[in-house]
Amino acid sequence: GAGVSQSPSNKVTEKGKDVELRCDPISGHTALYWYRQSLGQGLEFLIYFQGNSAPDKSGLPSDRFSAERTGGSVSTLTIQRTQQEDSAVYLCASSPGKSREKLFFGSGTQLSVL
Amino acid sequence: GEDVEQSLFLSVREGDSSVINCTYTDSSSTYLYWYKQEPGAGLQLLTYIFSNMDMKQDQRLTVLLNKKDKHLSLRIADTQTGDSAIYFCAESMGTDKLIFGTGTRLQVFP
Repeated sequence: GAGVSQSPSNKVTEKGKDVELRCDPISGHTALYWYRQSLGQGLEFLIYFQGNSAPDKSGLPSDRFSAERTGGSVSTLTIQRTQQEDSAVYLCASSPGKSREKLFFGSGTQLSVL
Repeated sequence: GEDVEQSLFLSVREGDSSVINCTYTDSSSTYLYWYKQEPGAGLQLLTYIFSNMDMKQDQRLTVLLNKKDKHLSLRIADTQTGDSAIYFCAESMGTDKLIFGTGTRLQVFP
């Protein structure tokens, strides 16, 4: 596609359930990022993939959060046993190679945990 | 620590200039960025500046960098209602990771 695509755009779940959020980066982009945007707060870095290198997971808030990137393209962010404080907009971004001049962001997934 | 700080709100009259300020912590940052987020949308890159530059101008946008004080600003000339959005500054750390500020909500009134 022409841009970064995220699905679903909205997700409502019950506390304790697992959720999977998907990100389709721009074709050919080797770098992929996940950020979390909570109401009234900035963007919180979660995880970063670059090519075949080991991902930078330093921003994952707990072991309930995990992410994978299959075949260097699509990425899935999984949150296990969701809590109400996980409610936020989860944003994915990609960039070509190591070019940090421009990240292309998706529109995000609004996660609401009831 | 990795703190990028911004004021939360700015309100300006249409036609005036807007100045959005940001302070960052990592003196080794090589790039500093300004992103814009319109309601319900992802972030879009507005402009960026290399750390060896003091100023960059791009049409109505002027970025000023004070490396000594680790201070970055974005000036929008002739602010329009379409400029109303949240503006994020970001720094690149030693790796490729970008650290974003809390965002400044700019409101433009007629």
